[in-house]
Amino acid sequence: ETGVTQSPTHLIKTRGQQVTLRCSSQSGHNTVSWYQQALGQGPQFIFQYYREEENGRGNFPPRFSGLQFPNYSSELNVNALELDDSALYLCASSFRVGDGYTFGSGTRLTVV
Amino acid sequence: QKEVEQDPGPLSVPEGAIVSLNCTYSNSAFQYFMWYRQYSRKGPELLMYTYSSGNKEDGRFTAQVDKSSKYISLFIRDSQPSDSATYLCSPEGPGGYQKVTFGIGTKLQVIP
Repeated sequence: ETGVTQSPTHLIKTRGQQVTLRCSSQSGHNTVSWYQQALGQGPQFIFQYYREEENGRGNFPPRFSGLQFPNYSSELNVNALELDDSALYLCASSFRVGDGYTFGSGTRLTVV
Repeated sequence: QKEVEQDPGPLSVPEGAIVSLNCTYSNSAFQYFMWYRQYSRKGPELLMYTYSSGNKEDGRFTAQVDKSSKYISLFIRDSQPSDSATYLCSPEGPGGYQKVTFGIGTKLQVIP
């Protein structure tokens, strides 16, 4: 399977709720990263997984957590949603450093 | 100082013009230099990348890196309306996530 697919494409949640976003990485890509992109900003790194282990994290609180599965899929979980969590959430996979990332089209999360 | 600085634009040019997009970065450990193109409501797509200093050409696009001045450029020749998008620079370093950083992106509009 080629490409990175994310689901859902759009989501509306209420402040305080929890959300799970899903990503299916490109086959063979052992590294997956999640990014948050606010309107008019560049993607901000949330965390990265390599072979099902978290191997790096950006400046995001613990209520942002993730999982990577052996079948190249992954999840981003956000607890206790805040209004400022409204953004485009991007999943990107890579085979190795220096190859660049293949991005999904993102999930647009709106917290009301 | 931000790790990657990029003028957000917007930059408007007439069709056929030569476009110059630029980034500066602060971390001398970066070794790979990526340019991504992001259309509205889509995830970024890898346009091209270079390793270390030098030039790389791909069709109408030329990427240039000057590590001594920590300056990255992307040139677009014979710009087309379909080039209208946001362009993100993203330097990467050795060893993984810590060095994957994006600029804010420059919004380019090519006017027919």
